[in-house]
Amino acid sequence: GAGVSQSPSNKVTEKGKDVELRCDPISGHTALYWYRQSLGQGLEFLIYFQGNSAPDKSGLPSDRFSAERTGGSVSTLTIQRTQQEDSAVYLCASSLGGTASNEKLFFGSGTQLSVL
Amino acid sequence: GESVGLHLPTLSVQEGDNSIINCAYSNSASDYFIWYKQESGKGPQFIIDIRSNMDKRQGQRVTVLLNKTVKHLSLQIAATQPGDSAVYFCAENTSDKLIFGTGTRLQVFP
Repeated sequence: GAGVSQSPSNKVTEKGKDVELRCDPISGHTALYWYRQSLGQGLEFLIYFQGNSAPDKSGLPSDRFSAERTGGSVSTLTIQRTQQEDSAVYLCASSLGGTASNEKLFFGSGTQLSVL
Repeated sequence: GESVGLHLPTLSVQEGDNSIINCAYSNSASDYFIWYKQESGKGPQFIIDIRSNMDKRQGQRVTVLLNKTVKHLSLQIAATQPGDSAVYFCAENTSDKLIFGTGTRLQVFP
């Protein structure tokens, strides 16, 4: 596709359930980022991939959060045993091949996660 | 820790006027800065970037100014239009990831 695609666009789940959020980066982009945005707040860095490896996982809030990337393309962010404080918009971004210091990031529209 | 912050959470301007959105950063080692625009229900959209070896960069109707002495970044929008209404974020590169500020909401009224 022409841009970063995220699915689902909206997800409502019950507290304690696991959820998977998907990100399809722009074709050819090797760097992929996950951010979280709470209502009315800025973007909180979660994790960064270069290819299939994650050099920086420092932003993951707890061990309930994990992410993987396969084939240097699609990435999945998994939240286990969701809590109400996990409710937020989860944004994915990709860049051509460098790091955030070299290139601008292109963002998807995000997944709105609501934990009841 | 390092942070990026904004002075004004909401800015209201009249259509046709110029807008100035300010941002302070604390990491003197940051070498790359970006402004993003986010409309409701959408992801952030790149506006303009600037590297630390520059103090000014111009785009179409937008100008970014960087003052490294006081660690200040600003975005100037000329002839503000209703379509400019959005939340604007500045971001700085630190440790190979972009750190975003809280954002400033720009409201344009006729």
